[in-house]
Amino acid sequence: QQPVQSPQAVILREGEDAVINCSSSKALYSVHWYRQKHGEAPVFLMILLKGGEQKGHDKISASFNEKKQQSSLYLTASQLSYSGTYFCGTVTNTGNQFYFGTGTSLTVIP
Amino acid sequence: NAGVTQTPKFQVLKTGQSMTLQCAQDMNHNSMYWYRQDPGMGLRLIYYSASEGTTDKGEVPNGYNVSRLNKREFSLRLESAAPSQTSVYFCASSEIGYSNTEAFFGQGTRLTVV
Repeated sequence: QQPVQSPQAVILREGEDAVINCSSSKALYSVHWYRQKHGEAPVFLMILLKGGEQKGHDKISASFNEKKQQSSLYLTASQLSYSGTYFCGTVTNTGNQFYFGTGTSLTVIP
Repeated sequence: NAGVTQTPKFQVLKTGQSMTLQCAQDMNHNSMYWYRQDPGMGLRLIYYSASEGTTDKGEVPNGYNVSRLNKREFSLRLESAAPSQTSVYFCASSEIGYSNTEAFFGQGTRLTVV
C-alpha cells in the first residue's frame, strides 16, 4: 500500500522549478507532504483532504487528483533551502493507516 | 517547546541484546507512532497507538513490541536485536490520528546492531 513517488531524485539550479508526483493503487482520503533534510526529522509541509484541492505554502504548492489517486508537489523558483528528501504520505478511504512513499531526493545547486 | 523527545540518540547493540527506545511528547496528542527509516525504503510504520491504552501493528512489526505507558509516552522494545534491525528509528505524534492532522517527529535514534 506504499505510494510510489517519482522521480526518485532530481537536481535543480537555483530558480528552476520541479514537480514531484505521488501515486497510489488505492482510493485516497488524504495526502500529506513532508520534507526531511539530511540527518534531521521529517517536517510537515501540507495536507490535502479533498479531491481537486490545491494548497500553497510560500513557493511550494500541491494538488490532489482524487480520480487519478495521485498528488503532485510543485516547487517554483527553487532556493538552496529547498534541498532535502520529500515524502508523500497517504491515507486510503478504506483504512486508518498512513503510508509514506519512498521519497524524492531534491538537490538545489547555485 | 520540547515537542517529541526520543532517547537515546545513538545506540550500538550486539546481536541478541535487548533495549527499549523511549519517546515522550508534550503536546497532549492522542496518537503516537514508531517508524523505521532505511535507505531507499522511506519511512515504514512499525507500531502505532491511536489513543492511550491502545496499540496496533503497522507494516513491519516483527521483532518489536511497544508500550503506551500513558498519554505522553510510547516506548519501543527490541527483545533480541538482529543486524536487520539496524536503522534510524523515529517516533511521531499527532492530535487525533493521521487522517487530517499533521504529525510531529522526534529527532530519531540511530541504532546499529553488530
